[in-house]
Amino acid sequence: DVKVTQSSRYLVKRTGEKVFLECVQDMDHENMFWYRQDPGLGLRLIYFSYDVKMKEKGDIPEGYSVSREKKERFSLILESASTNQTSMYLCASTPPGIVTGELFFGEGSRLTVL
Amino acid sequence: GQNIDQPTEMTATEGAIVQINCTYQTSGFNGLFWYQQHAGEAPTFLSYNVLDGLEEKGRFSSFLSRSKGYSYLLLKELQMKDSASYLCAALDSNYQLIWGAGTKLIIKP
Repeated sequence: DVKVTQSSRYLVKRTGEKVFLECVQDMDHENMFWYRQDPGLGLRLIYFSYDVKMKEKGDIPEGYSVSREKKERFSLILESASTNQTSMYLCASTPPGIVTGELFFGEGSRLTVL
Repeated sequence: GQNIDQPTEMTATEGAIVQINCTYQTSGFNGLFWYQQHAGEAPTFLSYNVLDGLEEKGRFSSFLSRSKGYSYLLLKELQMKDSASYLCAALDSNYQLIWGAGTKLIIKP
């Protein structure tokens, strides 16, 4: 089974802190994604990556950056956390060469910014 | 703009059948996905439709009408464990997923 692991299930940070959310997948998938999920809204794409060292902006990249130094690891960085970044963050991966809609998600990281 | 609409919440009885509707407006279309998400857990893939018609997979079926921009997920013989949110997502012409807000399904005994 594909395993997508997010390093932290729950985090509480203060405004202005730098936050790292780590995601690792064990199925050699090329494509990796970071979404945020908020009540009453659909999943919103923050950043995605189709290969090592590649990154593409999604729909809401402002206030976020990403790093993909190794194929299996995709990190989301909040340089200076703000209260409006309180959310559930979901990492996902999918292999190449197929319709890129069947995503394998991690358990999510619930971030609270005070 | 691109938009996905689905009901916010539905309630059904154990053992019954429920249909969750989804309408979409996207720039191009490359398929429609349904995901299940239990509270506090990751979404998991249920189905993918790209051609018109009904796809059946055990107790779950998914239907697509491209001309109407419409899909539904049909759950039969409902079980308590089917209580979850069901997410509809359409793949647009750039192969990007556009997500609905999800339908929370409550199953009552």
